[in-house]
Amino acid sequence: AQRVTQPEKLLSVFKGAPVELKCNYSYSGSPELFWYVQYSRQRLQLLLRHISRESIKGFTADLNKGETSFHLKKPFAQEEDSAMYYCALMGFGNEKLTFGTGTRLTIIP
Amino acid sequence: DAGVIQSPRHEVTEMGQEVTLRCKPISGHNSLFWYRQTMMRGLELLIYFNNNVPIDDSGMPEDRFSAKMPNASFSTLKIQPSEPRDSAVYFCASSDFGLNSPLHFGNGTRLTVT
Repeated sequence: AQRVTQPEKLLSVFKGAPVELKCNYSYSGSPELFWYVQYSRQRLQLLLRHISRESIKGFTADLNKGETSFHLKKPFAQEEDSAMYYCALMGFGNEKLTFGTGTRLTIIP
Repeated sequence: DAGVIQSPRHEVTEMGQEVTLRCKPISGHNSLFWYRQTMMRGLELLIYFNNNVPIDDSGMPEDRFSAKMPNASFSTLKIQPSEPRDSAVYFCASSDFGLNSPLHFGNGTRLTVT
């Protein structure tokens, strides 16, 4: 079974401070991990995926198979980062995407 | 491309009424997904189709829920009869089937059942 856990429903961070959104997963095989973001009044969209190993809008996420985690990080938060963030997992060989419950990030000016 | 198009954007109905949500996927995408978003449970996959065929409907909560995809450019999610606990935002998403291809989401339909 595929399962994604985001322990924080709400997270508030001051502008300029580091951000870390936690994500843990449960999957017996090799997963593909994603972060999706939903800004106010916009549709849910892909932020980044672990196989790309890229930084998007200053965000990075590293897959840690030992800890089964895929935490999202940014060294310096910006006001425009305020949004709803979802961690998601896709099992190897299938396209079923399982989401966590999401974390609402608020950046305090 | 206008992206995934959902209608209506908002739906308010009374308990017991039938509700039909509609989705037009991105042209050329061959996989379509229906998700339900609530504060408590986040995004839950209800059902998904590949080449118009339902592949996994294990997330459909009850027999009151049904989904169809009569052709590659249209899908419906129907709730009959509706109940207040069905109130949520329902998202449709599509993708071009291939390993690890990302989903493209619609704007969602906010359903309120009174």
